[in-house]
Amino acid sequence: DVQMTQSPSSLSASVGDRVTITCRASQSINNYLNWYQQKPGKAPKFLIYAASSLQRGVPSRFSGSGFGTDFTLTISSLQPEDFAIYYCQQSYSPPYTFGQGTKLEI
Amino acid sequence: QVQLQESGPGLVKPSETLSLTCTVSGDSVSNNYWSWIRQSPGKGLEWIGSIHNSGSTTDNPSLKSRVSMSIDASRNQFSLRLSSVTAADTAVYYCARLLYSSGILLDHWGQGTLVIVSS
Repeated sequence: DVQMTQSPSSLSASVGDRVTITCRASQSINNYLNWYQQKPGKAPKFLIYAASSLQRGVPSRFSGSGFGTDFTLTISSLQPEDFAIYYCQQSYSPPYTFGQGTKLEI
Repeated sequence: QVQLQESGPGLVKPSETLSLTCTVSGDSVSNNYWSWIRQSPGKGLEWIGSIHNSGSTTDNPSLKSRVSMSIDASRNQFSLRLSSVTAADTAVYYCARLLYSSGILLDHWGQGTLVIVSS
């Protein structure tokens, strides 16, 4: 299985800050990397696919990059509704494994 | 818009079979692939498997062949059965639509249903 490791596990930031979350794969997955956002008591929400393509309706302050084994999710100017847990997921080969999550806190 | 809703027992006894159904609206289960994911405090998000109306399925080997999935196109539903459950199978179970686009993506999710395995 492809192991996905996110860092940091938690991150404190303020409204307006620029933040970056990192996701590393245990082997090359080309650009087959998705990002999800999850708020308490809710299902994950799909944000980004193919490492850098925004799902329709996702604000442009979210961006993704990376190829191979190293990927990042950047939020350019944090808004109050962005405080949540973020997960990466490799979409290269089944089982489609997730990272352990990064909790973004105020 | 596409909506999914999980249903099934919230409590299952150890060694028994967990059965969940996902009802889809806004899309046909005859199209696309459909997936199950679970989330437990100990293991985070875990992809369980996916199914297509053609009968094609893929599941997570870590579940040691305990998984079976089916589709009922007449009811626009798909289902999960997980046999021989233990406390480790306690989790929130989600259903989702799976699309193939530069790999796979899970673009619409149900709200999730908590299943507790306990006697």
